Amino acid sequence: DTAVSQTPKYLVTQMGNDKSIKCEQNLGHDTMYWYKQDSKKFLKIMFSYNNKELIINETVPNRFSPKSPDKAHLNLHINSLELGDSAVYFCASSQKIESYNEQFFGPGTRLTVL
Amino acid sequence: DQQVKQNSPSLSVQEGRISILNCDYTNSMFDYFLWYKKYPAEGPTFLISISSIKDKNEDGRFTVFLNKSAKHLSLHIVPSQPGDSAVYFCAASEYRGGNKLVFGAGTILRVKS
Repeated sequence: DTAVSQTPKYLVTQMGNDKSIKCEQNLGHDTMYWYKQDSKKFLKIMFSYNNKELIINETVPNRFSPKSPDKAHLNLHINSLELGDSAVYFCASSQKIESYNEQFFGPGTRLTVL
Repeated sequence: DQQVKQNSPSLSVQEGRISILNCDYTNSMFDYFLWYKKYPAEGPTFLISISSIKDKNEDGRFTVFLNKSAKHLSLHIVPSQPGDSAVYFCAASEYRGGNKLVFGAGTILRVKS
């Protein structure tokens, strides 16, 4: 009964490929997020969706496209992968979009671009 | 430009003693602060939070102190246990920021038995 799950856990691919990471939450939350943890270990927000609507888009390259088919899912599609995309990507969810709402994180997807 | 800074990359503490993890921030619009704990190969898990209208929040062995004038917060763990060994992230958000969390780089805590 995992609260926030991500697939795959590890992803190794070649430069130029297109890949997707899937995220699902079974908490009944309205809001979902994608964070990137880079080589310096900083966790930085990329996107947030509230009730399937894009709320935050943090100057992420157009090659990254989030898709929310429903409130429980927020997938991340990445086109034309580059070496610098190698990182750990975390999905998270919160009950509401407003501040003070605790965010629950998934286990992360380690993406390695060769 | 790091708005949330954790200047100590690591901290080593003896079991039973107090662990103090520090965090500084630069954005005066931050009004909510959180600590997350992270084990290897897992996602961060929420530990404790504090609103800017308070200067202290306590939950069991964990206490967070906020000094707004110094733009500084700290997490105290008393007594420290080996299971507390993890990476601790400080995070902050603005009230009208859409629940966007800004994280520090983390501090690795090692509790020795």
